[in-house]
Amino acid sequence: GAVVSQHPSWVICKSGTSVKIECRSLDFQATTMFWYRQFPKQSLMLMATSNEGSKATYEQGVEKDKFLINHASLTLSTLTVTSAHPEDSSFYICSASRNPMGNTEAFFGQGTRLTVV
Amino acid sequence: GQQVMQIPQYQHVQEGEDFTTYCNSSTTLSNIQWYKQRPGGHPVFLIQLVKSGEVKKQKRLTFQFGEAKKNSSLHITATQTTDVGTYFCAGPDNNAGNMLTFGGGTRLMVKP
Repeated sequence: GAVVSQHPSWVICKSGTSVKIECRSLDFQATTMFWYRQFPKQSLMLMATSNEGSKATYEQGVEKDKFLINHASLTLSTLTVTSAHPEDSSFYICSASRNPMGNTEAFFGQGTRLTVV
Repeated sequence: GQQVMQIPQYQHVQEGEDFTTYCNSSTTLSNIQWYKQRPGGHPVFLIQLVKSGEVKKQKRLTFQFGEAKKNSSLHITATQTTDVGTYFCAGPDNNAGNMLTFGGGTRLMVKP
């Protein structure tokens, strides 16, 4: 199956600093990628849809200035958590599908566990 | 907007017992997908159902898509400790390309 790689797998940062998370589709081009946040023992909460070459679409309640998304190429989307605070600590996961308009399976990155101290 | 609900939220079973999780969508779905997330891991695709009333099997797992294409179920026969994890159903958002709406997930715990 297709591979989506996410980096880093885990990161610990100080309050006030920014953290960048990368999501790469390794063997296919992804015009659209999705960023999720998952709290312990809870479901995936969609944060935003990352669109190659255009602005990301954010879900209601997600601060676009706080969670900066850049999708500069067909294989890479980045999520930057700016001025991180302890409440931003969470598991962040990206996903992508081979077919941009069809209804096909989603391939998930390994996830990034962010801890803000 | 579209909502996808799953029950139960948690299920403890003894190894060897059967397990079923149910998924219901507020809207008709073009397809339903199932994912498994092991503790500490990321969701992994299991299967996609497309046709009304479709039933698919993967070894001890049986997936069913309802006639109205609004509900689905995943049944595991004779659970094993390797089945531990959270099972999510997901349906495409009819208005948003390949965006998926995920159910809340059912967390399965198996006692050896």
